[in-house]
Amino acid sequence: EAQVTQNPRYLITVTGKKLTVTCSQNMNHEYMSWYRQDPGLGLRQIYYSMNVEVTDKGDVPEGYKVSRKEKRNFPLILESPSPNQTSLYFCASSLGTSGRRYEQYFGPGTRLTVT
Amino acid sequence: DAKTTQPPSMDCAEGRAANLPCNHSTISGNEYVYWYRQIHSQGPQYIIHGLKNNETNEMASLIITEDRKSSTLILPHATLRDTAVYYCIVRVGSGYSTLTFGKGTMLLVSP
Repeated sequence: EAQVTQNPRYLITVTGKKLTVTCSQNMNHEYMSWYRQDPGLGLRQIYYSMNVEVTDKGDVPEGYKVSRKEKRNFPLILESPSPNQTSLYFCASSLGTSGRRYEQYFGPGTRLTVT
Repeated sequence: DAKTTQPPSMDCAEGRAANLPCNHSTISGNEYVYWYRQIHSQGPQYIIHGLKNNETNEMASLIITEDRKSSTLILPHATLRDTAVYYCIVRVGSGYSTLTFGKGTMLLVSP
């Protein structure tokens, strides 16, 4: 089954404790991205990757890191989480960025709480 | 990318057609209209996209006005499972640009 998986689905952590949210897709997609969703602010893009070893900042990259060492994986790293990073996070992937190739498949979401 | 305007909420009776409008009066010639939906706290789901011609797939139809300043997403026979937030997004058709989700329209399908 074609899918994007994220782990963990739920995470409660404390300020400053480094964490990684994993994202993996099994569709051989080139393009992957991370979003966060907050009440009243909608979905905002954090980082994206056009291909292996190619990443760039989205609209709200501060406090996050990413890496793309393999095509299928795109982990999101919070080196020193803070309470304002409490949010619902989604990973997404697509074949490319043109027309129907930009049909993005989203993961199930990771609900992160930083206390 | 052009901004979009959608009504915050709409109601629809189960089995009837749901027509969701979107205004994008500043759309450029190379920008496509995409529709996604998000069922409560799940990941958004792609529905359909188009440039200027009307489009139809297994989920919905997309009607774009001739001047391309507005569009309508049509769910022909809405079911309870279609209750979701629907996002209309305008972006260039190639290369990179952010998929910017606005507030969308909350569609409530009732029995």
